[in-house]
Amino acid sequence: SQELEQSPQSLIVQEGKNLTINCTSSKTLYGLYWYKQKYGEGLIFLMMLQKGGEEKSHEKITAKLDEKKQQSSLHITASQPSHAGIYLCGATNTGNQFYFGTGTSLTVIP
Amino acid sequence: DSGVTQTPKHLITATGQRVTLRCSPRSGDLSVYWYQQSLDQGLQFLIQYYNGEERAKGNILERFSAQQFPDLHSELNLSSLELGDSALYFCASSVGSNNQPQHFGDGTRLSIL
Repeated sequence: SQELEQSPQSLIVQEGKNLTINCTSSKTLYGLYWYKQKYGEGLIFLMMLQKGGEEKSHEKITAKLDEKKQQSSLHITASQPSHAGIYLCGATNTGNQFYFGTGTSLTVIP
Repeated sequence: DSGVTQTPKHLITATGQRVTLRCSPRSGDLSVYWYQQSLDQGLQFLIQYYNGEERAKGNILERFSAQQFPDLHSELNLSSLELGDSALYFCASSVGSNNQPQHFGDGTRLSIL
């Protein structure tokens, strides 16, 4: 089965610090999605990456899909308490089933 | 507001019972996805419907079934409920069939007593 392993599992940072979350796949990715979830709430779509080497930014969040298309990173610059939550990467397997990564819990201390 | 509506928000019932969760997708979206989120299993894909037809199936138990109606709303039926079925159930929708960015509802929290 295809898996998406995220690291770190949890992260606690001081407000204003930069941070990076990684998502590693056991197989080639043909599309990688990043979502954010506040505890107990629905997921919010952040970004979609489809091409190797592709990089997208939205406000202070940048995501990149590496050239070999087996890993993606999500970078937050100058973190704020509003960035706190659970970050999930997601992808589709060859059976068109969508699956999510293991998740990274981010806490930002004011 | 994602535009995806799920009802009810909370549901409390007993083992052995049957419940129906409802989802209205965003206007214009043809695909509906159902997910189960629990502490031990994480976020698990259950099933996807596209324009009324089943498109993809994930880890959905035989006791669970879903359908998408002509007006594109969807229902997830859970029967013979067990304690382990307690979880957050999310519905998401997208325009097309190929897992384009999905927009999530706020979920239904199911508690089995």
